[in-house]
Amino acid sequence: GAVVSQHPSWVICKSGTSVKIECRSLDFQATTMFWYRQFPKQSLMLMATSNEGSKATYEQGVEKDKFLINHASLTLSTLTVTSAHPEDSSFYICSARPELGAFFGQGTRLTVV
Amino acid sequence: DAKTTQPTSMDCAEGRAANLPCNHSTISGNEYVYWYRQIHSQGPQYIIHGLKNNETNEMASLIITEDRKSSTLILPHATLRDTAVYYCIVPPTYTGNQFYFGTGTSLTVIP
Repeated sequence: GAVVSQHPSWVICKSGTSVKIECRSLDFQATTMFWYRQFPKQSLMLMATSNEGSKATYEQGVEKDKFLINHASLTLSTLTVTSAHPEDSSFYICSARPELGAFFGQGTRLTVV
Repeated sequence: DAKTTQPTSMDCAEGRAANLPCNHSTISGNEYVYWYRQIHSQGPQYIIHGLKNNETNEMASLIITEDRKSSTLILPHATLRDTAVYYCIVPPTYTGNQFYFGTGTSLTVIP
């Protein structure tokens, strides 16, 4: 199946700093990528949809100035958590779409201390 | 904004078939049914998808009812490694095919 690589797998950062997470589609071009957040014992919550070359579309309740998404190429999207706080600690997962379906990265465990 | 309903949890004996149901009564004619699973602390893994015909691959079979309002994922010979949360997803075409996750079914395969 298609491969989506997410980096880093885990990161610990200090409160107030920013963290960037990369999502790459390795063997296909993805015009659309999705970013999710998952808290313990909960399902994945869609945060935003990013389209190559245009601004991301954020789900209701997700702060676009806090979660910056850049989708500069057909194989790379980045999520930057700005001024991170302990409540931003979570499991962040990206997904990339080929023509049909979606494939997911392995996730990034963010811990803000 | 998931439009699917699944049982919260299920158990299955190792070696037996696991049948996981999903209700998607509001599905539109051109919307696909996708199944994914998530093992703890990993990203979701694609299993199978279908439109209206039954589908089979090396992992599972997907049975879709004739009216398309429900489907069943079948793992023919469940192993302990199949213990995971299974998600049935119907991306809505009218909003851009986003993959919204419901609560899924937590499948436990018992030795």
